[in-house]
Amino acid sequence: AQTVTQSQPEMSVQEAETVTLSCTYDTSENNYYLFWYKQPPSRQMILVIRQEAYKQQNATENRFSVNFQKAAKSFSLKISDSQLGDTAMYFCAFMKHRPGGGADGLTFGKGTHLIIQP
Amino acid sequence: EPEVTQTPSHQVTQMGQEVILRCVPISNHLYFYWYRQILGQKVEFLVSFYNNEISEKSEIFDDQFSVERPDGSNFTLKIRSTKLEDSAMYFCASSNPGLGKFFGPGTRLTVL
Repeated sequence: AQTVTQSQPEMSVQEAETVTLSCTYDTSENNYYLFWYKQPPSRQMILVIRQEAYKQQNATENRFSVNFQKAAKSFSLKISDSQLGDTAMYFCAFMKHRPGGGADGLTFGKGTHLIIQP
Repeated sequence: EPEVTQTPSHQVTQMGQEVILRCVPISNHLYFYWYRQILGQKVEFLVSFYNNEISEKSEIFDDQFSVERPDGSNFTLKIRSTKLEDSAMYFCASSNPGLGKFFGPGTRLTVL
């Protein structure tokens, strides 16, 4: 079974600063996907960024980037030039790769509550 | 931009009653999911559905739960006899192979 650990229950930074949210995971799988989801107060789950384990290049989506360290089983999220609208819960998630089809569920961490201060 | 929709947004029911939560996944997606989130806790996987059958289910998804895709667009989660501990946000999601899952806005279920 997979586990995902987010060791920072809450973080607070000033607007425009850069912040890094940590995530570690444990798995015996070699091929898998990692995700970061954002959950604002509306409780909608919004996909922020996705990383395939077989790709060494770190994924980037505008102000959001990841530092994927496969050997260390680490997948941190960096938010640059943070904005007030970035205030939300952030969940790290793991999904096995299932060759040939089938649908695997996500395993989520407990989340980090990120607060952007004006 | 296509999105996953869910109805109702909030459902209140009495313990022991049956509830059906409805979802319309993104139209060209092949995989469908239900997750739940008890208030203040992490999101938990319930079940995945592919090719008109359950693909994977978690320990939470016991005999009280069932899923159905009654037509080409809807995907439902039924809880046969609700318990107090079923109170949670229930999220539907859909995806295509290897891609991120797109979540609906959730249905808040309150069991009294």
